[in-house]
Amino acid sequence: QSVLTQPTSASGTPGQRVTISCSGSSSNIGNNYVYWYQQLPPTAPKLLIYRNNQRPSGVPDRFSGSKSGTSASLAISGLRSEDEADYYCAVLDDSLSGPVFGGGTKLTVL
Amino acid sequence: QVQLQESGPGLLKPSETLSLTCSVSGDSIGSYYWTWIRQAPGKGLEWIGCLYYSGSTNYNPSLKSRVTISVDTSKNQFSLKLTSVTAADTAVYYCAKVGGVVAAPRAWFDPWGQGTLVTVSS
Repeated sequence: QSVLTQPTSASGTPGQRVTISCSGSSSNIGNNYVYWYQQLPPTAPKLLIYRNNQRPSGVPDRFSGSKSGTSASLAISGLRSEDEADYYCAVLDDSLSGPVFGGGTKLTVL
Repeated sequence: QVQLQESGPGLLKPSETLSLTCSVSGDSIGSYYWTWIRQAPGKGLEWIGCLYYSGSTNYNPSLKSRVTISVDTSKNQFSLKLTSVTAADTAVYYCAKVGGVVAAPRAWFDPWGQGTLVTVSS
């Protein structure tokens, strides 16, 4: 059971906008930056969003992150087939004194 | 650009010690935090621990009694040891650099190594 709660799956059709939620608590999301990772199996995860809503260079602006209170969201607009992947949120947890990951969301592009 | 490469045995027997090394190229291991993360087959990501180049460490409480992360600055490498492994430790093990200008433990991991599969089986 992960400290951070994500839906196990999400889906959308090409061109649509989808959002993936990440729910936590005051000891993690409520007090620290949220990060998002994209994993195209069987490759290593890749940083998608840092510090809640910042995109590393090379990440399309179709990807955006937001945070409110103890929840965060990743939005993907103009969905493309190559966005089909697993997405993980991650945040530092003050109670555990270390980072924690959400359980991951498998995004399917229909 | 920074590149990381994990290396170590891919097959262990129960009760043995897992030993992996992460070789860093393209940047000095100094002045940053570095981390190990694992992913069991078909499962999510689990943070194992992190290390500052000076040798200071933070570990996942669930693994702390079995984990040691150390650094060899002369070789620009850091290592993971996990003792008394069981089948539950079967996973792909990733090393990664902790991001940010000011070094601190964070959930900011970039870049990642390609990962190495470690299987524990008798």
